[in-house]
Amino acid sequence: ETGVTQSPTHLIKTRGQQVTLRCSSQSGHNTVSWYQQALGQGPQFIFQYYREEENGRGNFPPRFSGLQFPNYSSELNVNALELDDSALYLCASSLRYRSLYNEQFFGPGTRLTVL
Amino acid sequence: DQQVKQNSPSLSVQEGRISILNCDYTNSMFDYFLWYKKYPAEGPTFLISISSIKDKNEDGRFTVFLNKSAKHLSLHIVPSQPGDSAVYFCAASVYVSSGTYKYIFGTGTRLKVLA
Repeated sequence: ETGVTQSPTHLIKTRGQQVTLRCSSQSGHNTVSWYQQALGQGPQFIFQYYREEENGRGNFPPRFSGLQFPNYSSELNVNALELDDSALYLCASSLRYRSLYNEQFFGPGTRLTVL
Repeated sequence: DQQVKQNSPSLSVQEGRISILNCDYTNSMFDYFLWYKKYPAEGPTFLISISSIKDKNEDGRFTVFLNKSAKHLSLHIVPSQPGDSAVYFCAASVYVSSGTYKYIFGTGTRLKVLA
């Protein structure tokens, strides 16, 4: 059973650019959630994808968007990058309806730095 | 609006002693609470959970206590081991819509177990 993987590990962008982060779910999982963890903070929920559709969103602007593919892998896209977007981006996969709280398994994250 | 709070940024404990990590929450509608452990350069890993209808859950050296009237939960690690040194996040699982759950995380407590 393979765990959640994310790429790239680190990324440096400049303000105004666009970025795409990638996530491969744990084998057998059909739901992907994305979180942003700023320095010194806990992870914050961005959105969740199930059956290739966004299914729940946190307090993030529309320039944060995502995709889920038929193999359940996922992308997080951020347009018009701002300095405050610098953070660790975590992907978590889960199996919908498996439990009352849908235990989520996290990848190692992508560290994004915006200059 | 921080709905899940971990007021102690760090904690140092001697090996073999008890570690107690605390977490407070504000929303009485939370129905599941979880603790995650995070090592540097890794994603958070699930440790233990508790349903809001229980007041205690135990798994080996780890016990989580829930006090609903005080909106407080705590994680006890007995005995503490140097390998337990990590950042511990408290999280509440919140139902979003049709099978979607998101986690609301605290800011984390860095535990250092001294040999």
